[in-house]
Amino acid sequence: QKEVEQNSGPLSVPEGAIASLNCTYSDRGSQSFFWYRQYSGKSPELIMSIYSNGDKEDGRFTAQLNKASQYVSLLIRDSQPSDSATYLCAVNQAGTALIFGKGTTLSVSS
Amino acid sequence: GAVVSQHPSWVICKSGTSVKIECRSLDFQATTMFWYRQFPKQSLMLMATSNEGSKATYEQGVEKDKFLINHASLTLSTLTVTSAHPEDSSFYICSAPKTSGRSPGELFFGEGSRLTVL
Repeated sequence: QKEVEQNSGPLSVPEGAIASLNCTYSDRGSQSFFWYRQYSGKSPELIMSIYSNGDKEDGRFTAQLNKASQYVSLLIRDSQPSDSATYLCAVNQAGTALIFGKGTTLSVSS
Repeated sequence: GAVVSQHPSWVICKSGTSVKIECRSLDFQATTMFWYRQFPKQSLMLMATSNEGSKATYEQGVEKDKFLINHASLTLSTLTVTSAHPEDSSFYICSAPKTSGRSPGELFFGEGSRLTVL
């Protein structure tokens, strides 16, 4: 059974702080790793994708991947109240369906 | 703009009736589409893989006779919830693999369909 694990939270951070979200996965054959943001009642929207070990930065977001440890993380710098949402970690092999974690709820207080 | 369009965005029906949800890929062909279901405060769970021109592949525990999937063309997949019951009330989301660019594995998601069965 392929699994993706996340802490459900809620993770609460003050505005301007760094939010750190973590994810582990069970399938060592996974090739693609994604972080999605989902607002209540809405479809997920892609935040970051990462395919190689190391860090990938895009604006205030940094994704980190460690395939040996089967670990993916997302850092959000200078967190804003608008970042408050559920963050879903998802993994797959090319051409296959994404396997999602249960999501971490982030709350950024102003 | 949206590259996968899903309709209807929400539907309310009586118990025992059937509901059809459409998922269209816009400006690209999707030989495969994935259907997910999300219950409140739960994650997205894969229900089935829809394949153009062949039978859908269902995940374990998903009743194929209850959730009928038809992938009749390269741009349209439909999910029909037959004889719907209140426990089928959920958020149904379709998705299609991105076929161009340098993001292997990425999926485009539809807007989702909120089904409420009374």
